[in-house]
Amino acid sequence: KAGVTQTPRYLIKTRGQQVTLSCSPISGHRSVSWYQQTPGQGLQFLFEYFSETQRNKGNFPGRFSGRQFSNSRSEMNVSTLELGDSALYLCASSQGGRASSYEQYFGPGTRLTVT
Amino acid sequence: AQSVTQLDSHVSVSEGTPVLLRCNYSSSYSPSLFWYVQHPNKGLQLLLKYTSAATLVKGINGFEAEFKKSETSFHLTKPSAHMSDAAEYFCVVSPYNFNKFYFGSGTKLNVKP
Repeated sequence: KAGVTQTPRYLIKTRGQQVTLSCSPISGHRSVSWYQQTPGQGLQFLFEYFSETQRNKGNFPGRFSGRQFSNSRSEMNVSTLELGDSALYLCASSQGGRASSYEQYFGPGTRLTVT
Repeated sequence: AQSVTQLDSHVSVSEGTPVLLRCNYSSSYSPSLFWYVQHPNKGLQLLLKYTSAATLVKGINGFEAEFKKSETSFHLTKPSAHMSDAAEYFCVVSPYNFNKFYFGSGTKLNVKP
C-alpha cells in the first residue's frame, strides 16, 4: 500500500496570507490527524477527522481549520499567517475505529516558513 | 488524565553499546503505547506498539520495549546501537477506546563512532 502523502512538501508564505495543506491517507484509513511540530513546542495535536467529521480538537486558535472529504483525503487551512506558524505540519492516518490499538502512520510533513 | 514523560531529552551512546530510552506514562484507562522514530526532516515512523498482549514487544530494527504496569513505564531498548539509529524518538500513549494520542517531548539519540 502507498503511504501517507502530503503536498506540498515545502511552502514559503508571508505574514497575513493564508495557506492550504493537503493529506492523502493510506487506502482504507478513515481517520486523519494533523500535528504541528516546532523546536520550541514539540509535537502539538491540531485536530482529527473521521468520516468527514471533526472528532477531536487540540488547543489552537480558530485560524487553524480543516476538513475531510468523502475519499478520506484531508486539508488543513491556516488563515492570517503569523511568524509563529512556521513549523513542520504532519499528517497521520489510521483505521480510526474506537479501539486505540489502531496505530497512526505519518506522512513526510509540509515545511511551512512564514516571512 | 493522560500524559507521557520521556525522562531524557538527549541520550548519547557509542556504536555497538546498548540503548535505553526511558518513558513513563499516566493513563486513566488501559492504554496502548507506541514508540516512533523521526529522522531529521522526515515524518515519524512506527517502531513498535503495545496493545495489552505480551508485555515485551519487539519492533523493527532490533528495538524492543517492555510494558511494566506497576512502574507505569514503557522503556525502549536495543542491545547494540548503530550509527543509523541516531534520530529523535517519541513515546506515545493512547487511552483505550478514545482514539487520542498523547506524545512525549522526545529523546534525541546521538550515536558516537
